[in-house]
Amino acid sequence: AQTVTQSQPEMSVQEAETVTLSCTYDTSESDYYLFWYKQPPSRQMILVIRQEAYKQQNATENRFSVNFQKAAKSFSLKISDSQLGDAAMYFCALIQGAQKLVFGQGTRLTINP
Amino acid sequence: DAGVIQSPRHEVTEMGQEVTLRCKPISGHNSLFWYRQTMMRGLELLIYFNNNVPIDDSGMPEDRFSAKMPNASFSTLKIQPSEPRDSAVYFCASSPRGSVNSPLHFGNGTRLTVT
Repeated sequence: AQTVTQSQPEMSVQEAETVTLSCTYDTSESDYYLFWYKQPPSRQMILVIRQEAYKQQNATENRFSVNFQKAAKSFSLKISDSQLGDAAMYFCALIQGAQKLVFGQGTRLTINP
Repeated sequence: DAGVIQSPRHEVTEMGQEVTLRCKPISGHNSLFWYRQTMMRGLELLIYFNNNVPIDDSGMPEDRFSAKMPNASFSTLKIQPSEPRDSAVYFCASSPRGSVNSPLHFGNGTRLTVT
């Protein structure tokens, strides 16, 4: 069975600083996709970044980047130059094959001005 | 704690038929959410309830979609009539409070295929 674990229920960072959110997962498959979703107060789930397991290069999207360690089954999200609008819940998720997304429990990120 | 329970896990139906998806939130949670997952649009919020009352249904795509929460332990998402473009995975999630800071607990989802 697939599992996704986010061990940090809450994180905080000063505006303009860098923060890293942790995520570990377990899967028996070698081909899968990993995601970070952001959930702002609107409750919508916004895709932040996506990583294909077969790609060794870490995905980046502007200020967002991941550290994908396949052997360790680790998928952390780094947010550089944090902005007040980054405050939200962040969910790590995994999908393999034609299966459904499996979510971590989420990390609440607070940005301190 | 059994977690959020969704049924059925898979549903295959023909176009035009009525489809009902079911969700049992975690006991004590008073917020419930329905999401739809597609490859094209990722995860979309369809509707959410606080204390059994629909708060925001702006994500419901069409009048063919309706959701109810008759009590704190049960919710349904109904599609009538169903269309092939409704094929997706539908997630239900619950949280203990209506606060935006409350973590969501997701069910395993229902994979709907409309032929």
